[in-house]
Amino acid sequence: AQSVTQLDSHVSVSEGTPVLLRCNYSSSYSPSLFWYVQHPNKGLQLLLKYTSAATLVKGINGFEAEFKKSETSFHLTKPSAHMSDAAEYFCVVSPSGSARQLTFGSGTQLTVLP
Amino acid sequence: EAGVAQSPRYKIIEKRQSVAFWCNPISGHATLYWYQQILGQGPKLLIQFQNNGVVDDSQLPKDRFSAERLKGVDSTLKIQPAKLEDSAVYLCASSSPRSLRDRENTGELFFGEGSRLTVL
Repeated sequence: AQSVTQLDSHVSVSEGTPVLLRCNYSSSYSPSLFWYVQHPNKGLQLLLKYTSAATLVKGINGFEAEFKKSETSFHLTKPSAHMSDAAEYFCVVSPSGSARQLTFGSGTQLTVLP
Repeated sequence: EAGVAQSPRYKIIEKRQSVAFWCNPISGHATLYWYQQILGQGPKLLIQFQNNGVVDDSQLPKDRFSAERLKGVDSTLKIQPAKLEDSAVYLCASSSPRSLRDRENTGELFFGEGSRLTVL
């Protein structure tokens, strides 16, 4: 069984300040973990993925995430928020070796204030 | 390359009516997925196709939902009769064959913009 918990349903930051979106996971297997972003009225887009290589993963648009097995966490960070980062972010877990059975978190809505 | 196409973008129907959604995946993508995203929740997998065969439909409410991918390309998701709780965004996604052959799970799905259904 696997699950993912996004600890904040809404996060609000000022432009130029750091972003932290928190995700904890539970998996019976060595998991693969992903972050997807969904802009309003747009399809979901892959930001980054962890697949048992380097624990610090860099994604698009300056985002990165660190896989911490001891904490079962995969938090998403960005040093400096931009207005265009305002969107909904989903943490996703999948059993390693399987392209199916992606389990999505409930999402975190990021608001960026001017 | 063209992305995943879905239609209609918006649909409003009354309960007990029927509705159909269409999806055309990225060219060459053998795997096609339908997800249901209820407001405030993450997407939930309804059905997964590999070419024109069903890989996983364990979460599909088969008493009212049906889906087909007859020629292994585009797909149709139907709801009949609709209930109020079916109000959601229906997302179609596709992935390349390489995602399945690779030992590691790439997990990269390419999503369409979704079809928003409102049931009154």
